[in-house]
Amino acid sequence: DAGVIQSPRHEVTEMGQEVTLRCKPISGHDYLFWYRQTMMRGLELLIYFNNNVPIDDSGMPEDRFSAKMPNASFSTLKIQPSEPRDSAVYFCASSLLARTEAFFGQGTRLTVV
Amino acid sequence: GQQVMQIPQYQHVQEGEDFTTYCNSSTTLSNIQWYKQRPGGHPVFLIQLVKSGEVKKQKRLTFQFGEAKKNSSLHITATQTTDVGTYFCAGTNDYKLSFGAGTTVTVRA
Repeated sequence: DAGVIQSPRHEVTEMGQEVTLRCKPISGHDYLFWYRQTMMRGLELLIYFNNNVPIDDSGMPEDRFSAKMPNASFSTLKIQPSEPRDSAVYFCASSLLARTEAFFGQGTRLTVV
Repeated sequence: GQQVMQIPQYQHVQEGEDFTTYCNSSTTLSNIQWYKQRPGGHPVFLIQLVKSGEVKKQKRLTFQFGEAKKNSSLHITATQTTDVGTYFCAGTNDYKLSFGAGTTVTVRA
């Protein structure tokens, strides 16, 4: 398996634009997590899915953020409209079961100017 | 909610020396995981501890889970330049992984 695949690796966008980040988890993994990493706030859990169902989105900063998992092999994190304070590295991770090893993707470095 | 605190935030180590990073939780944890992130990279799983008082070793790395399952430590002996990076502990109390702020390690050759 190629591991968790995220795209794009880098994204530069203007404030106010819509941004969509994509993630393909490892096949067979039941859990998918979206994290945001910044120097100030570290690694923050935004939302996680179990069997494609969103379980906990309490970490989503505000209504501008939304996440979907239409099937077991694909998830998106959307920011609309984007703001400069959204600039961060966004990681997607998946795990086989609850409370087991999480495999992280390479991340998407988002810059909002 | 669950919070995982990690100290120190930075560790500057002379090559060959030992160091320890500590992780503390405000609540009892089901298990604790440790990850390493190299500069510019992504977190990579190192180990998971489940049992109270558990100790596990990986070559020069020793991981320990506290008796009350509220704290953990990572001890590295004879630090090498390949140990450079940020070490995170992550605790689970429900189904979420909550990460500490990490200890960023630099090594002086």
